[in-house]
Amino acid sequence: GAGVSQSPSNKVTEKGKDVELRCDPISGHTALYWYRQSLGQGLEFLIYFQGNSAPDKSGLPSDRFSAERTGGSVSTLTIQRTQQEDSAVYLCASSSLPGQTGELFFGEGSRLTVL
Amino acid sequence: GEDVEQSLFLSVREGDSSVINCTYTDSSSTYLYWYKQEPGAGLQLLTYIFSNMDMKQDQRLTVLLNKKDKHLSLRIADTQTGDSAIYFCAEARGYQKVTFGTGTKLQVIP
Repeated sequence: GAGVSQSPSNKVTEKGKDVELRCDPISGHTALYWYRQSLGQGLEFLIYFQGNSAPDKSGLPSDRFSAERTGGSVSTLTIQRTQQEDSAVYLCASSSLPGQTGELFFGEGSRLTVL
Repeated sequence: GEDVEQSLFLSVREGDSSVINCTYTDSSSTYLYWYKQEPGAGLQLLTYIFSNMDMKQDQRLTVLLNKKDKHLSLRIADTQTGDSAIYFCAEARGYQKVTFGTGTKLQVIP
């Protein structure tokens, strides 16, 4: 596609359920990032992929969070046993490497609400 | 450490200049960026500066970098209502990890 695509755009779930968020990056972009945006909290780094490997998982908040990327393309962020504090907008971004500016191209995000 | 800090809110009158400030802690940053997020949308790159530059001008935007103080600013001249958005400062070391600030919400009063 022309841009970074994320799905679902909105997800409402009950506490304790698992959710999967999907990111389809720009074709050919080798780097993929997940961020979490909470009200008043700015952008919180979660995980970074270079190809299919994740050299930096330092931002994942707990072991309930995991992410994978297959075929150097689509990535899935999974949150198990969701909690109310997981409610946020989850943003995905991709970047071509090496790039001249390291510009990140963002999707519109998946808004997660945990009741 | 890799903290990037910004003030949360700025209000200016239409036609005035806006100055959004950012401080960062990682002296090995190679690129510093300003991203804009309009309501309900993802972030878009506004401008960037290499760490070996002091200033960059792009139409109404001026970026100033004080590497000694680890201070970055974005000046928007002749601010318009369409400039109302959240502005994020970000730093990167190479192309590995991009760390964003908390964002500054700019409100432009007509």
